Amino acid sequence: NAGVTQTPKFRVLKTGQSMTLLCAQDMNHEYMYWYRQDPGMGLRLIHYSVGEGTTAKGEVPDGYNVSRLKKQNFLLGLESAAPSQTSVYFCASRDRGMNTEAFFGQGTRLTVV
Amino acid sequence: GENVEQHPSTLSVQEGDSAVIKCTYSDSASNYFPWYKQELGKRPQLIIDIRSNVGEKKDQRIAVTLNKTAKHFSLHITETQPEDSAVYFCAASGRSQAFGNEKLTFGTGTRLTIIP
Repeated sequence: NAGVTQTPKFRVLKTGQSMTLLCAQDMNHEYMYWYRQDPGMGLRLIHYSVGEGTTAKGEVPDGYNVSRLKKQNFLLGLESAAPSQTSVYFCASRDRGMNTEAFFGQGTRLTVV
Repeated sequence: GENVEQHPSTLSVQEGDSAVIKCTYSDSASNYFPWYKQELGKRPQLIIDIRSNVGEKKDQRIAVTLNKTAKHFSLHITETQPEDSAVYFCAASGRSQAFGNEKLTFGTGTRLTIIP
């Protein structure tokens, strides 16, 4: 039981390049989230999903796209990376319901130069 | 949408003293308020949570209080120890326009330092 796993752990991109971050969970959770963490800004929600085939925008969705083709995977895409997207990205998942614990992945440190 | 404010941003306390971190939220429909601890270089992990039908919850040295009328909740750590040094995040499970109450909004975090 690995919990929530993010791939990759580190990445350096050049401005304008694209990439996809993968989040995989093996807890059969319905809800999945992508956050970015910046100094002094806390955890800001980028996009989230409440089930396979569903996605919704969070607080800071611009420049990102997501897909949830399989229940266990939630992909975050950057089509044209910008230096402002340099951050640590965390994926999280929760079971169905309003009062359930969120489990986080180990994070992906992305640097855009 | 939900907005969660957290204070202070940094907090230093002497070992053995108490620490209090406060959060306010904007959506009166929010009904679940977890607290997460993030050690340096690690992922956030749940330490305690409270639901809206409860005013206070304790777990050993940590406690959370909730005032739904004022829309604020607080984390209390007593008899602080060096291993309590970390960043603490509050959160609120609020209503999203698209789906309901699945959205989870975090505060900006408090860096707690325990001075030996």
